[in-house]
Amino acid sequence: EDKVVQSPLSLVVHEGDTVTLNCSYEVTNFRSLLWYKQEKKAPTFLFMLTSSGIEKKSGRLSSILDKKELFSILNITATQTGDSAVYLCAAPPGNMLTFGGGTRLMVKP
Amino acid sequence: NAGVTQTPKFHILKTGQSMTLQCAQDMNHGYLSWYRQDPGMGLRRIHYSVAAGITDKGEVPDGYNVSRSNTEDFPLRLESAAPSQTSVYFCASSYSGSPVYEQYFGPGTRLTVT
Repeated sequence: EDKVVQSPLSLVVHEGDTVTLNCSYEVTNFRSLLWYKQEKKAPTFLFMLTSSGIEKKSGRLSSILDKKELFSILNITATQTGDSAVYLCAAPPGNMLTFGGGTRLMVKP
Repeated sequence: NAGVTQTPKFHILKTGQSMTLQCAQDMNHGYLSWYRQDPGMGLRRIHYSVAAGITDKGEVPDGYNVSRSNTEDFPLRLESAAPSQTSVYFCASSYSGSPVYEQYFGPGTRLTVT
């Protein structure tokens, strides 16, 4: 059975802290791993990772994939209150897209 | 482009009633999916379609029907609603083909079944 597991389930930090979110996966026909940010409404796309060891960056967010150990991490440095959201990772086994349960991040001022 | 649109934004149904959640995209995407999101469960796929005329079941298809008569629209029908179908529903689209690229999500429909 394909599965994607995220940890921690929730996290509370203060502005300026650095956080690391984890995503492990077991999917057949793995092709890529996707990260999304979900605030109050629909998830918005952050990153797509297909190759091990290549870090993707967007401002204070970065992500990396380890295809040998079957996990990915999402780092957020110098967190801001606007980073408060649920972060979802997803892996498509073939034509399906399996999501993890998400990590709820709360950044306090 | 409006992207992915969903209607209604909110709805309350009584058990046994039927309704259709609408999804439309104007990006000429071939690939459309319906998800439901419940607390702690992440997003779970209900049904999906890779092209007009082709639909398939996702992880949690029971109690839902879909159709895809054209590229743009992908309605989700609940024939006889149950309280277990209380959820937030998202429609998502992406380019067809493999590998699956990023999904573009609609704003969601919050459905309550009493």
